[in-house]
Amino acid sequence: QKEVEQNSGPLSVPEGAIASLNCTYSDRVSQSFFWYRQYSGKSPELIMSIYSNGDKEDGRFTAQLNKASQYVSLLIRDSQPSDSATYLCAVNVMGSQGNLIFGKGTKLSVKP
Amino acid sequence: DGGITQSPKYLFRKEGQNVTLSCEQNLNHDAMYWYRQDPGQGLRLIYYSQIVNDFQKGDIAEGYSVSREKKESFPLTVTSAQKNPTAFYLCASNTYNEQFFGPGTRLTVL
Repeated sequence: QKEVEQNSGPLSVPEGAIASLNCTYSDRVSQSFFWYRQYSGKSPELIMSIYSNGDKEDGRFTAQLNKASQYVSLLIRDSQPSDSATYLCAVNVMGSQGNLIFGKGTKLSVKP
Repeated sequence: DGGITQSPKYLFRKEGQNVTLSCEQNLNHDAMYWYRQDPGQGLRLIYYSQIVNDFQKGDIAEGYSVSREKKESFPLTVTSAQKNPTAFYLCASNTYNEQFFGPGTRLTVL
C-alpha cells in the first residue's frame, strides 16, 4: 500500500517565523511531488511542485526534496496569519498518468 | 475564464435517493478525477478518467458511478448503495503532472 505521511498538527508558529512542514512517502520510484494549501471549507490549491532533489523557491515558499530519504518538505518564510490553513502533500503514482496519493495534511496556525 | 466548476455547492440527499454532482472544465485537460474528503482525512480517489468514454475505479468506488461522454464533463452519481455519503466531494483535472481542483460540493444526507 503506497502511503504519504504527514504530521497532522496543529503546527503553531508566530507571525514572521519560518514554518516547516514535512512529508514522507513510501513509493521509492515516485517522481513528482506537490504541496497544496487548503483553507477551511475550501478546495485544495496547488502552491508548489518539485521533481528534482534539492530546493525550489517561489516567493516565501521553498520546497525541499530528498528522494534517497523519501522526504519532501515545505518551508514558509515570514509566515503570515493568512498562511493559516491545512497543507496537503501529494505524490504521483508511477504508471498512472497523473494519479496522486495525498497525505492527510498538516494544519498550520500562524499567530499574530 | 478558464477553470473547473462544480455544482451545486451544497446538496442535501434523503435516504435512498440517487444524486448527481456536476463537474465541468474548460482547460482542455484530458484527465479528470473525483475525490471524497471527510473531516480530518486526506483525499480518497473515487473514480478517474484519462480519456473520453473511458474511466477507472479508484480506491472507494463502491456506491458511486460516473460517465465521461464529453472531454469537458465528468459527472458523479452518488447512489443509494453508498451507505455513508456525507462528505466534501472534489473534482480535479490534470495537465501533464499538475492537478487542479474545482471548488467542491458538500453533500449531506438527511
